[in-house]
Amino acid sequence: DTAVSQTPKYLVTQMGNDKSIKCEQNLGHDTMYWYKQDSKKFLKIMFSYNNKELIINETVPNRFSPKSPDKAHLNLHINSLELGDSAVYFCASSRGTPGGNQPQHFGDGTRLSIL
Amino acid sequence: GNSVTQMEGPVTLSEEAFLTINCTYTATGYPSLFWYVQYPGEGLQLLLKATKADDKGSNKGFEATYRKETTSFHLEKGSVQVSDSAVYFCALIDDKIIFGKGTRLHILP
Repeated sequence: DTAVSQTPKYLVTQMGNDKSIKCEQNLGHDTMYWYKQDSKKFLKIMFSYNNKELIINETVPNRFSPKSPDKAHLNLHINSLELGDSAVYFCASSRGTPGGNQPQHFGDGTRLSIL
Repeated sequence: GNSVTQMEGPVTLSEEAFLTINCTYTATGYPSLFWYVQYPGEGLQLLLKATKADDKGSNKGFEATYRKETTSFHLEKGSVQVSDSAVYFCALIDDKIIFGKGTRLHILP
């Protein structure tokens, strides 16, 4: 029944490793997003896809690569993890386009800790 | 560019107190405005929204009115509960969504 589900919920790994976070939504939404939330709760958009097409690509290191195999899935792959990548990563989805007035539905987050 | 400014927290209140969390925005167009709430260990949830000037969004006893003349969307609740303890985010959508920095609210029993 979960609307936006992301896995894993917790991810602890060493600096330099490559890891992926998966996201799936069963709401039939056209747009999906990735956000990074730091320890001070500041939320920053990273990417947005609409019907598998990249719409928003904020200033994010190219070690971060999103992939959307279909409009219900948006995965995030991170290469060469760094200490500063430690954060909570949220997936979200919405109807329509990113510029529409539709609210976003968020997953519960993936807590990434880099050792 | 567009931006959202909300009062810094944490805000600590006693149960049944009146709550106001201020939010002001700058936008080149006519954005839709939102309040989201994030409970501990969870993702953000939409609390309420307003899509045009003078609209009032309301949900779970919370209210906010879209004030174009003051470019504000302040969140209010008449009597808070311990269960309202969370982080509250003001946001706007113009060509994309922009969140404020969040305001942490602590309600003491």
